[in-house]
Amino acid sequence: KNEVEQSPQNLTAQEGEFITINCSYSVGISALHWLQQHPGGGIVSLFMLSSGKKKHGRLIATINIQEKHSSLHITASHPRDSAVYICAVYGGATNKLIFGTGTLLAVQP
Amino acid sequence: DAGVIQSPRHEVTEMGQEVTLRCKPISGHDYLFWYRQTMMQGLELLVYFNNKAVMDDSGMPKDRFSAKMPNASFSTLKIQPSEPRDSAVYFCASSSSGGSREQYFGPGTRLTVT
Repeated sequence: KNEVEQSPQNLTAQEGEFITINCSYSVGISALHWLQQHPGGGIVSLFMLSSGKKKHGRLIATINIQEKHSSLHITASHPRDSAVYICAVYGGATNKLIFGTGTLLAVQP
Repeated sequence: DAGVIQSPRHEVTEMGQEVTLRCKPISGHDYLFWYRQTMMQGLELLVYFNNKAVMDDSGMPKDRFSAKMPNASFSTLKIQPSEPRDSAVYFCASSSSGGSREQYFGPGTRLTVT
């Protein structure tokens, strides 16, 4: 079992839909990263959070430390949001990221 | 800021050849990470540096891979000899201990070993 699990693995949505991607982890963490990778592209950091909630434009990330769970929400989804979304955690006091396997999102017009 | 810079962006080489990947971190960042991404394994940490010193290279095959950071603004990842199974995208990332520890990734180097 992976230390960082994401669900769903694949997600297809219609433009305008509200999207939720979930991340659960089994280790103690100091912080959690949400990353975005477009097909054939580089990796962009969307959020880094250790508690509560962060919002940037149409993206919202939440984390519940007690439940070892984080969610990434996309409001009013758009085809340009189509990408792989990766959850990664800093385990304990280390600076090593533990990666989830990613969620492939396709937003259809 | 120019962000993390990697070169080359693409590299095609024959098995047995030496390959050198280069990375320039964001100015002022004291952590530098080398990752490898494949379809099968996803993202894997190969090695990371703090203030130019190797902190963890447990993910790096020691027989053929070597990583160096001769100064705060430059790092190399060398593969010698290269093998087809080394074909992957190699990402470099940097972060600052004085900030949120958020990692900023370079554009990656796509390596193909034939």
